[in-house]
Amino acid sequence: AQRVTQPEKLLSVFKGAPVELKCNYSYSGSPELFWYVQYSRQRLQLLLRHISRESIKGFTADLNKGETSFHLKKPFAQEEDSAMYYCALSGNYGGSQGNLIFGKGTKLSVKP
Amino acid sequence: DTGVSQNPRHKITKRGQNVTFRCDPISEHNRLYWYRQTLGQGPEFLTYFQNEAQLEKSRLLSDRFSAERPKGSFSTLEIQRTEQGDSAMYLCASSFGYLVTQYFGPGTRLLVL
Repeated sequence: AQRVTQPEKLLSVFKGAPVELKCNYSYSGSPELFWYVQYSRQRLQLLLRHISRESIKGFTADLNKGETSFHLKKPFAQEEDSAMYYCALSGNYGGSQGNLIFGKGTKLSVKP
Repeated sequence: DTGVSQNPRHKITKRGQNVTFRCDPISEHNRLYWYRQTLGQGPEFLTYFQNEAQLEKSRLLSDRFSAERPKGSFSTLEIQRTEQGDSAMYLCASSFGYLVTQYFGPGTRLLVL
């Protein structure tokens, strides 16, 4: 079954602390992994995707196929990072053509 | 281009009524997706179009749901005989091609009383 698991509903850290948002996936094939973010009162938007291997707003994520994980990391959290973060995968297996499968999301709260 | 737009932004209806939502994708995007999001959950895929063709429907999409994308531009999602369980945020997204970034609209929040 295709599935994305985000084990933490809420993650609370202090400003300047490191952040790691966990994401594990189950997928037969080679998925494309994404992190989407939703700031308060804003629409869902792409933060980063694994194929780009970019660092966006200081966040990075490495695809670990052995552990089927795609954890999101930032060395020093900022208050403006407070948001809802969704891990998602997309693939071309079983007839699926690119629709996203989302995790339940992790709410990140960065305290001053 | 201001991105994907959805109308209405909010809809309150009584059980048993029909509702229709509209999504206007980013121009030149050939793919259009509909998702549903309930409280505490991530978005769940409903259906998608490539141009005007509806290519996939989730098993979440019961017979009461129908979607169209005439002329491959805007799309409508209709729910007939609404039920309280249909209360959710309905999200639309568009992309150019697949396995690429999907751009989301602000969503339509439906409340069925």
